[in-house]
Amino acid sequence: SQQGEEDPQALSIQEGENATMNCSYKTSINNLQWYRQNSGRGLVHLILIRSNEREKHSGRLRVTLDTSKKSSSLLITASRAADTASYFCATDSNDYKLSFGAGTTVTVRA
Amino acid sequence: DTAVSQTPKYLVTQMGNDKSIKCEQNLGHDTMYWYKQDSKKFLKIMFSYNNKELIINETVPNRFSPKSPDKAHLNLHINSLELGDSAVYFCASSQVDVSGANVLTFGAGSRLTVL
Repeated sequence: SQQGEEDPQALSIQEGENATMNCSYKTSINNLQWYRQNSGRGLVHLILIRSNEREKHSGRLRVTLDTSKKSSSLLITASRAADTASYFCATDSNDYKLSFGAGTTVTVRA
Repeated sequence: DTAVSQTPKYLVTQMGNDKSIKCEQNLGHDTMYWYKQDSKKFLKIMFSYNNKELIINETVPNRFSPKSPDKAHLNLHINSLELGDSAVYFCASSQVDVSGANVLTFGAGSRLTVL
């Protein structure tokens, strides 16, 4: 079964708006990672947050982690057309089995 | 230049055939993986090799056989292809850092269509 589950499945926003997606997981983790997949491409690593961290920023990305609720969120601020992609969370439990969800498909309208 | 390269990018074949997908990484990573992404975008791990040794072998039919001739290469051979094998197969590699974090670098994917 999938470890990470993203919500919502799909999101459509206007350019300039913020996009927020959530990830829930089931077991204890070492860290949680977010990846982006453009259509027809492989996944690209965006950001990693460790289990002892609560929030992390990278450019227009902001990630939060709540280990008590086993959930994480990814916020993309001031979205651009180039942010149109699928976003996946992945949990790392120190066993080489990075577990992915089904992703959130984000469409940014011009 | 490409960090993780896999070939072919597209593969269309008949049911019952045997096919292979090749993967190479030039990042010097110790660990390589095969993931399968179905039509609903679920990404599921199939196999992982660390320094040529199999360390993850998920519940995958015996028709799938990975081979790692060296730590820079991981190939996937599929026998007696079935319709349900149609998917995008991703190769990835990683190197665990000093903190224990394992970040994957993915190839561009190989789309397999079984007719």
